[in-house]
Amino acid sequence: GQNIDQPTEMTATEGAIVQINCTYQTSGFNGLFWYQQHAGEAPTFLSYNVLDGLEEKGRFSSFLSRSKGYSYLLLKELQMKDSASYLCAVMDSNYQLIWGAGTKLIIKP
Amino acid sequence: GAVVSQHPSWVICKSGTSVKIECRSLDFQATTMFWYRQFPKQSLMLMATSNEGSKATYEQGVEKDKFLINHASLTLSTLTVTSAHPEDSSFYICSARDLEGGQLDTQYFGPGTRLTVL
Repeated sequence: GQNIDQPTEMTATEGAIVQINCTYQTSGFNGLFWYQQHAGEAPTFLSYNVLDGLEEKGRFSSFLSRSKGYSYLLLKELQMKDSASYLCAVMDSNYQLIWGAGTKLIIKP
Repeated sequence: GAVVSQHPSWVICKSGTSVKIECRSLDFQATTMFWYRQFPKQSLMLMATSNEGSKATYEQGVEKDKFLINHASLTLSTLTVTSAHPEDSSFYICSARDLEGGQLDTQYFGPGTRLTVL
């Protein structure tokens, strides 16, 4: 079956760096997405990786290793507003998005 | 970036009534729209995939006669929850896929509709 795994919850300190991991097993691969979702709101797009390597976008970076079925989202210089759930999603061979359960990130002062 | 709107943002209804939720792509044409449901502290659950001008494809376990989907134009899809019950109370989110020149792009999400059935 198809499976996306990511930690349920993580805690980090304001100003620090945090890495949220995601491992996946899917039927086919057409890219991996990271979304941010604040409580009570819809997800917002953060990043898309389809080739191996690191994609950097400001304070956020996303890494992909297709051979390992692994990705991580790296958040630098954490701010209180970064407290949210971070969703990892993989697009399978049918171009369907398979969603992880999300990682709730708690930022402490 | 592409914008997707949803209406209403929240709705409270009595058990047994029907509720219609609209999803619009405001600045692009969306041949495909997706409807998700999200219960508290859980991930998004895909309910159905809606293609313009054709019948929606429902995920396993989703009743197509209860959740009516219409995608009549390239910018509008509607989800009607018929004979709503308290267990249908959830956060309903639509997303639209922007296909430009054959290049696959990401899904853009609407702001969501919070449905409470009393």
